[in-house]
Amino acid sequence: DTGVSQNPRHKITKRGQNVTFRCDPISEHNRLYWYRQTLGQGPEFLTYFQNEAQLEKSRLLSDRFSAERPKGSFSTLEIQRTEQGDSAMYLCASSPESDLPNEKLFFGSGTQLSVL
Amino acid sequence: GQNIDQPTEMTATEGAIVQINCTYQTSGFNGLFWYQQHAGEAPTFLSYNVLDGLEEKGRFSSFLSRSKGYSYLLLKELQMKDSASYLCAVSDSNYQLIWGAGTKLIIKP
Repeated sequence: DTGVSQNPRHKITKRGQNVTFRCDPISEHNRLYWYRQTLGQGPEFLTYFQNEAQLEKSRLLSDRFSAERPKGSFSTLEIQRTEQGDSAMYLCASSPESDLPNEKLFFGSGTQLSVL
Repeated sequence: GQNIDQPTEMTATEGAIVQINCTYQTSGFNGLFWYQQHAGEAPTFLSYNVLDGLEEKGRFSSFLSRSKGYSYLLLKELQMKDSASYLCAVSDSNYQLIWGAGTKLIIKP
């Protein structure tokens, strides 16, 4: 297993364009998370899936953001009508399902978004 | 509100010991995590504390005091490869992870 995979690694777009990122979690992991991180800050939670169900979404998340995990495997994060403030590293993480509510997260290398 | 505080940056010498502190104020507590993040890379798990006391794992140890809302990460026998950011994260009453901004650790020869 090669771990959590994210594509693309880098994305440069113009303001107002739509972008979509993909995350392939570790194959046996049921839980999938999306985070956003800016330089010098910790990860900011965006949304969380258990299998194909989106169980939680940050209240700070604009309606321009949407995420899917249609078959409970890979996930996509779409940002519509991008703004310069959307520039950040978008991190995906997965964890195995267990009886423990807290499991360590395995992160992908992220997608660095630059909105010009 | 919920808050995690850690120093922004620390400098230490190769071979020495460094302690990175983290204080937290959260709605509930279900454990505290430390992650390491090298520049431009993904965070990787280092440790998890849910009970008071010290957890040792090789050169790294993590301590927790729930009554004081305090944790530290202790790194011994520092190596150049330990230069990274160290992130403290607390699991709150809803098992939501609240992240600190991270401490950038600079190791000098």
